Amino acid sequence: KAGVTQTPRYLIKTRGQQVTLSCSPISGHRSVSWYQQTPGQGLQFLFEYFSETQRNKGNFPGRFSGRQFSNSRSEMNVSTLELGDSALYLCASSLGSSTEQFFGPGTRLTVL
Amino acid sequence: AQTVTQSQPEMSVQEAETVTLSCTYDTSESNYYLFWYKQPPSRQMILVIRQEAYKQQNATENRFSVNFQKAAKSFSLKISDSQLGDTAMYFCAFSDRDDKIIFGKGTRLHILP
Repeated sequence: KAGVTQTPRYLIKTRGQQVTLSCSPISGHRSVSWYQQTPGQGLQFLFEYFSETQRNKGNFPGRFSGRQFSNSRSEMNVSTLELGDSALYLCASSLGSSTEQFFGPGTRLTVL
Repeated sequence: AQTVTQSQPEMSVQEAETVTLSCTYDTSESNYYLFWYKQPPSRQMILVIRQEAYKQQNATENRFSVNFQKAAKSFSLKISDSQLGDTAMYFCAFSDRDDKIIFGKGTRLHILP
C-alpha cells in the first residue's frame, strides 16, 4: 500500500500570501488530521476530517482552514501568511476511532 | 483540556543501554488511548507503541515497552538494548474517543556509539 503523500514538500512564500497544501491518505483511510510542527511549540493539532466533515479543530485562527474530498484527499489553506506560520505541516491518516495514525513526510513552509 | 507533558527535552545514552522516557498526561476521561511516536532525523513519524487505557497490561513491542500507571497518569517508554537507529525525537501522545490526538513537546534521544 502506498503511504501518506504530501505535496509540495517545500514551499517558500512571502507575508500576506496564501498557500494550499495537499495530503493524500492511505487507501481506505477516511480520517485525515493536520498538525503544525515547530521547534518551540512541538506538534500542534490543526484539524481532523472524517468522511468530508471536520470533526475536530485545534486552537488556530480562522486563517487556517481545510477540507476533505470524497476520495479522502485533504487540503489545508493558510491565508494572509505571517512569519510565524513557518513550520513543518504534517498530515496523518487513519481508519479512525483512535487507531494508529500514519504520517506523511510533511510540507516545509517558509514565510519570508 | 487534556495535556501531555514530557519533562525530558533531551537525553543521551550509550548503545546497548536501557533508557526510559517519561510522560505524564492530564484528562478527566476514563477511556482513552496513549501512544509513543518516533520521528528519526529527516524521516517520517512512525508509531512505536500504543496503549488502551482500559487494558491493565503494559504494551510491549520487541525492545520497546511502556509502564502505564493510570492512577498517576503516567506513561513512560522503556527502550532496552538501545541501538544507533533509535536516535530520534520521541513524542508521547493522548487520544480520547473523538480521535483528536494531543502530543507532548517531545524528547530528543541520542544513542551514542
